[in-house]
Amino acid sequence: EIVLTQSPGTLSLSPGERATLSCRASQSVSSYYLAWYRQKPGQAPRLLIYGASSRATGIPDRFSGSGSGTDFTLTISRLEPEDFAVYYCQHYGSSWTFGQGTRVEIK
Amino acid sequence: QVQLVQSGSELKKPGASLKVSCKTSGYTFTHDGINWVRQAPGQGLEWMGWINTNTGNPTYAQGFTGRVVFSLDTSVNTAYLQITSLQAEDTAVYYCVKGSSAILYWGQGTLVTVSS
Repeated sequence: EIVLTQSPGTLSLSPGERATLSCRASQSVSSYYLAWYRQKPGQAPRLLIYGASSRATGIPDRFSGSGSGTDFTLTISRLEPEDFAVYYCQHYGSSWTFGQGTRVEIK
Repeated sequence: QVQLVQSGSELKKPGASLKVSCKTSGYTFTHDGINWVRQAPGQGLEWMGWINTNTGNPTYAQGFTGRVVFSLDTSVNTAYLQITSLQAEDTAVYYCVKGSSAILYWGQGTLVTVSS
């Protein structure tokens, strides 16, 4: 079973700053099957990135994904107020697994 | 447009059973599986498994065998999640989601509270 470990647990930043979130897999995974989501309080998660680096429809270009093998990164170039939320990575191969989440909070 | 509409919040006593519905529209129901995802209060996302809407074959994730059953009613494009012998630890929001890859479409979530 693949385990995804996200770091840091919490990221304290100011609006306009750059956020870098990490997702590490316990074994090598195909980047084709790696996604990132943003979840705001009281809402279902929203897909940001799929295939490790492709932005979902309607997602602004301040969001970018990268990585391969066991190490993946979500970068938010300039934080907007709506970006202060929890972020999850997901592997969606023959079974699914989610990371435990990174909370991006206002500093 | 694609929609997944789940049944409303539930308050159950320990030991009771529960059935959550997920009514879909806007696409051909049998063309995409339905997955179920659990989120306990203040916690992360946990995959429970999925059901093949073409064959009805369910697949359960580790930790969700025994008390959890996925089912379908293809005549009304609806998937169901049943949980028996509810325990306090089953308190969570349960989401149905469409498809077998990155999740574009989520139900709104069903809050299940298990309390005596």
